[in-house]
Amino acid sequence: RKEVEQDPGPFNVPEGATVAFNCTYSNSASQSFFWYRQDCRKEPKLLMSVYSSGNEDGRFTAQLNRASQYISLLIRDSKLSDSATYLCVVGEVQTGANNLFFGTGTRLTVIP
Amino acid sequence: DAGVIQSPRHEVTEMGQEVTLRCKPISGHNSLFWYRQTMMRGLELLIYFNNNVPIDDSGMPEDRFSAKMPNASFSTLKIQPSEPRDSAVYFCASSLGTFRGETQYFGPGTRLLVL
Repeated sequence: RKEVEQDPGPFNVPEGATVAFNCTYSNSASQSFFWYRQDCRKEPKLLMSVYSSGNEDGRFTAQLNRASQYISLLIRDSKLSDSATYLCVVGEVQTGANNLFFGTGTRLTVIP
Repeated sequence: DAGVIQSPRHEVTEMGQEVTLRCKPISGHNSLFWYRQTMMRGLELLIYFNNNVPIDDSGMPEDRFSAKMPNASFSTLKIQPSEPRDSAVYFCASSLGTFRGETQYFGPGTRLLVL
């Protein structure tokens, strides 16, 4: 069983639409959560951290549900520039370890 | 500020040849990670170092792969001998490393093609 599971998509949405991505993680002891963005043929880059209380950064809102081990990302008013793959990432703390586990990503294409 | 630097950016080689990938982490970061990304398997952690010491190499595919970090500013990932199935994008990432699942900063990657 994978540590992090995501719907691979693709999601094709028109400009201005609202789109939501979901992700589940298997280890209930996970302690940090992130969304990364990866553009085609580029490296992953941090989009935002995800906090228990939920957090918002402009058009992007991230939510965490620890009881259900579920993370979400909501993008409002989609722009063409939002087209990318979105990676759900979960951090686990072990003695001497500093691991992040990456989902396989959800691909988003915003259509004019 | 310079981010994570990787070289070469692209590598094409023939099966059986030795391949060496290089990485310079962000100055001051204590953890360094090597990942491999393919369409089929996504992003896989190969090995990571904390303060230049390998902590977990369970992701290294087999003995053909080896990684070193001789100092805080340099790491190598070597494949010898290379095989076509090693073709992938290899990313190096670094983080401050405080035993928490911290943000990792990725280099631009090395695209490896083994013919």
